[in-house]
Amino acid sequence: QFRLQESGPGLVKPSETLSLTCTVSGGSISGYYWSWIRQPPGKGLEWIGYIYYSGTTTYNPSLKSRVTISVDTSKNHFSLRLDSVTAADTAVYYCVRGGYRFDDWGQGNLVTVSS
Amino acid sequence: EIEMTQSPATLSVSPGERATLSCRASQSITTYLAWYQQKPGQAPRLLLYGASIRATGIPARFSGSGSGTEFTLTINSLQSEDFAVYYCQQYDNWPRTFGQGTKVEIK
Repeated sequence: QFRLQESGPGLVKPSETLSLTCTVSGGSISGYYWSWIRQPPGKGLEWIGYIYYSGTTTYNPSLKSRVTISVDTSKNHFSLRLDSVTAADTAVYYCVRGGYRFDDWGQGNLVTVSS
Repeated sequence: EIEMTQSPATLSVSPGERATLSCRASQSITTYLAWYQQKPGQAPRLLLYGASIRATGIPARFSGSGSGTEFTLTINSLQSEDFAVYYCQQYDNWPRTFGQGTKVEIK
């Protein structure tokens, strides 16, 4: 059973960069796809993108120009970077195992964009 | 982008009764469909994938059907812990997209 834990700041200023890391335990990050999904307060789910353990990425076109997902297999973690954030990026950010269906989820990290 | 539409937005059901939730895709996704359950303050949990295959540990009262563009999640004999929001998600194409959710509430 994989366990995922997001970490990172809960408050980011507008125009700055949101950075989150997901630490994976209970199994190796190798051999799997890993995604980031977000959920604005009271709203639905939006897939941000995924990374394969080898480093191959695919992003949601709606965010592609601002998103970078990276992986560090030696530390068994992967990361999200979202540039030039606005209030519309305020959401709970989930790290997830999977690139097709989403099998295992972190508890989520609420990130608020505000000055 | 494939649009996923769920209905109804809210479903009021009495404990012990059956709930039937619908999900429609804007184009055919064969059976590349998953269902998730989300309770307040928690992350979503995978219930079904391949439109009808239960994920590990999911009770048999949860079942799924459909293919192409029309899908159904059925919850038989609703238990208290089943009152939650349910999302469908397609993984036939990029980007992965979710429905807006159906809230199953106690009648």
